Amino acid sequence: SQQGEEDPQALSIQEGENATMNCSYKTSINNLQWYRQNSGRGLVHLILIRSNEREKHSGRLRVTLDTSKKSSSLLITASRAADTASYFCATDRGADGLTFGKGTHLIIQP
Amino acid sequence: DVKVTQSSRYLVKRTGEKVFLECVQDMDHENMFWYRQDPGLGLRLIYFSYDVKMKEKGDIPEGYSVSREKKERFSLILESASTNQTSMYLCASSPWTTGGDTQYFGPGTRLTVL
Repeated sequence: SQQGEEDPQALSIQEGENATMNCSYKTSINNLQWYRQNSGRGLVHLILIRSNEREKHSGRLRVTLDTSKKSSSLLITASRAADTASYFCATDRGADGLTFGKGTHLIIQP
Repeated sequence: DVKVTQSSRYLVKRTGEKVFLECVQDMDHENMFWYRQDPGLGLRLIYFSYDVKMKEKGDIPEGYSVSREKKERFSLILESASTNQTSMYLCASSPWTTGGDTQYFGPGTRLTVL
């Protein structure tokens, strides 16, 4: 069953602007991860945030986690054309690995 | 760097054929996973494995089987391919932990069943 659900499904912004994607989930988690997928390729891990963390940074990425609202957001600052991709959140399902959402398709217009 | 490779990027098979999708990882990871990805449905877990000769059903195992004879290799088998198995198949691996660790993905195999 799907755990994480990304919002919006698609997002188109101008290069240089910030992009924000959201993820909501239903049950308690140990951690939440964000992945990126370029068209027709495999997924690449971006960042992991644990349930006792509220915010995490990695380069131009900023992830927040609000366990009371069961939601997370991924912010990409100063977007570039190369950031065009699909972005997925994934929540852990204990020993059975991860459950992925359906993704947000981000398009950066040059 | 972790490397996960899949035997084919593109594959075209006919209905009823037996299809083997191979996945190999070079980081001595205990866990390996097979997903399929379809538009509007996201990634869905087919099967996973914690160790050699071990396998567990995921969310959509029907029509599939798996084999893990060696730690580095995890094979997905379509016993009798059908058109509704046309999809992108993604393999992933992760080190053994209590669960929910980072997964490392292969490039994917786009399978078309005619």
